[in-house]
Amino acid sequence: EPEVTQTPSHQVTQMGQEVILRCVPISNHLYFYWYRQILGQKVEFLVSFYNNEISEKSEIFDDQFSVERPDGSNFTLKIRSTKLEDSAMYFCASTSMEGLNTEAFFGQGTRLTVV
Amino acid sequence: AQSVSQHNHHVILSEAASLELGCNYSYGGTVNLFWYVQYPGQHLQLLLKYFSGDPLVKGIKGFEAEFIKSKFSFNLRKPSVQWSDTAEYFCAVNAATGRRALTFGSGTRLQVQP
Repeated sequence: EPEVTQTPSHQVTQMGQEVILRCVPISNHLYFYWYRQILGQKVEFLVSFYNNEISEKSEIFDDQFSVERPDGSNFTLKIRSTKLEDSAMYFCASTSMEGLNTEAFFGQGTRLTVV
Repeated sequence: AQSVSQHNHHVILSEAASLELGCNYSYGGTVNLFWYVQYPGQHLQLLLKYFSGDPLVKGIKGFEAEFIKSKFSFNLRKPSVQWSDTAEYFCAVNAATGRRALTFGSGTRLQVQP
């Protein structure tokens, strides 16, 4: 079964450092997403990406965040200068373009710990 | 804006007990509804989904959910839980047209005791 893969599974970084979280969506999918889940809180939408540009973003996705699809297979989330409150599980997801009604497939997540 | 409420934060059941997890949503338009499950250390997996048609939907592993439009609810049920159902369960919605991003509930941690 095709799956979304994320690397690394766990990333520890010092406050103020840049981090890049990587995702390989399902190969024939066209919409890509990042979500995050702060420990003990709900899963929150960050950003969606289609046709090489951001299609939607939440208020969480401020200027310190950016996304990129650098090579046609990877989909990355960059946090420019990490803060303690960025510590969370980050999930990548993708959906196909087979009609509007389709489910999202999620990766296993990257646990980001900012110290 | 959409919102999703899951009122049960932590549920503890014995094996073979019946399960019902509540999910209510708030949104002015037509929605798609989902239940995702997250087993310990694993990714979010789709249990079942509702787009249109029969409001009673059946998913994997014996789970089902019923969409009651008048109550804005999409409760998850299973007649007899197993120890392997121990996991966190998330209800989610997105708009049937336009915005695809999911809005999640806060999740329900289910613990099934053998």
